[in-house]
Amino acid sequence: KNEVEQSPQNLTAQEGEFITINCSYSVGISALHWLQQHPGGGIVSLFMLSSGKKKHGRLIATINIQEKHSSLHITASHPRDSAVYICAVLPMDSNYQLIWGAGTKLIIKP
Amino acid sequence: DGGITQSPKYLFRKEGQNVTLSCEQNLNHDAMYWYRQDPGQGLRLIYYSQIVNDFQKGDIAEGYSVSREKKESFPLTVTSAQKNPTAFYLCASRSKAGVRNIQYFGAGTRLSVL
Repeated sequence: KNEVEQSPQNLTAQEGEFITINCSYSVGISALHWLQQHPGGGIVSLFMLSSGKKKHGRLIATINIQEKHSSLHITASHPRDSAVYICAVLPMDSNYQLIWGAGTKLIIKP
Repeated sequence: DGGITQSPKYLFRKEGQNVTLSCEQNLNHDAMYWYRQDPGQGLRLIYYSQIVNDFQKGDIAEGYSVSREKKESFPLTVTSAQKNPTAFYLCASRSKAGVRNIQYFGAGTRLSVL
């Protein structure tokens, strides 16, 4: 079993829809990252969370440490949001090495 | 502008050939990382370096080598011992290997075998 599981693996939605991507993990963590990878391959960090909720524009990330679960929400989705969204966690006992989810491929249709 | 530069964007390797992927950062970051990405899989750590002249193996170091002679540079060599090198390679850096510091990524190099 992977230590970081993302769902769904693939998601296709219409422009304007509210999007939720989930991340569950099985280890104790110090922090969780959400990242975005565009078709060209470059990766951008979106959020780093250790508790609660963060918001940036139309993106919202939440984390429940007790349930070992995080969600990334996109409000008023747009075709330019189409990308792979990746969850990565920093285990408490790690030498600062991240454990990566496999990613969720999101396609927003106009 | 500060950032991480990876080159080349696309690279082709012949059988038995060593190839080197470049990663340069002008962010003055101490820690640098190399990851491999295969379709449908999460990123896997190849090597990392927390300080100049020091580096450690990650989860899949076999068939790869690195050097860290300068703070801003962390080249990755894919050797002929790596039997399945076709993948997308990402370089990353972080100001210090600490929890509160976000990792920055380069644009990646896509390596294919001829």
